[in-house]
Amino acid sequence: AQSVTQLDSHVSVSEGTPVLLRCNYSSSYSPSLFWYVQHPNKGLQLLLKYTSAATLVKGINGFEAEFKKSETSFHLTKPSAHMSDAAEYFCVVTPSYGGATNKLIFGTGTLLAVQP
Amino acid sequence: DTAVSQTPKYLVTQMGNDKSIKCEQNLGHDTMYWYKQDSKKFLKIMFSYNNKELIINETVPNRFSPKSPDKAHLNLHINSLELGDSAVYFCASSRGQGGNTEAFFGQGTRLTVV
Repeated sequence: AQSVTQLDSHVSVSEGTPVLLRCNYSSSYSPSLFWYVQHPNKGLQLLLKYTSAATLVKGINGFEAEFKKSETSFHLTKPSAHMSDAAEYFCVVTPSYGGATNKLIFGTGTLLAVQP
Repeated sequence: DTAVSQTPKYLVTQMGNDKSIKCEQNLGHDTMYWYKQDSKKFLKIMFSYNNKELIINETVPNRFSPKSPDKAHLNLHINSLELGDSAVYFCASSRGQGGNTEAFFGQGTRLTVV
């Protein structure tokens, strides 16, 4: 079975400082991992995805994440936070073996606040 | 052009009513989904359709009935609405049903049952 644990429900940073949103996963199979962002009253937008290629994945808006199999982690980072980054972030796992049904398993979300 | 569009965006209705939410995607995808986001922002899959065939049904009450008239549409009909059905419902689509394909989400439908 697959699952993800987002270790922080709330993270608050100052504008211009680094962002770290933590995610640990559990998967019986080689997983695909995603980060989605949800701005207030908006839909979900894909930030980046890992699908067994390079372990360091670069996404949109300066975000990146590193897949660490030994630590079963897929933490999201950004060197310098911007006010527009304030949103809810979801770590997502899904099995990536051939023929697998694309059932996204969502973490409980991390609310990122950016202080001026 | 909106890739995945849902209507309505907001829906307020009384308990016991029947309502439908429509979803359309213009991405040429063959797999569509309904997800439910509860008041704590937790997202969980409800249904998945591939080429108009149901492939995932996550123990959702029978009052919820998805209908896919074609690959580009997946509508959600809800009978006898209950207070606990209040949530944000997201439609999504993807190309294929492999686990490494990303899903594109609609803007959500906020359903409030009073």
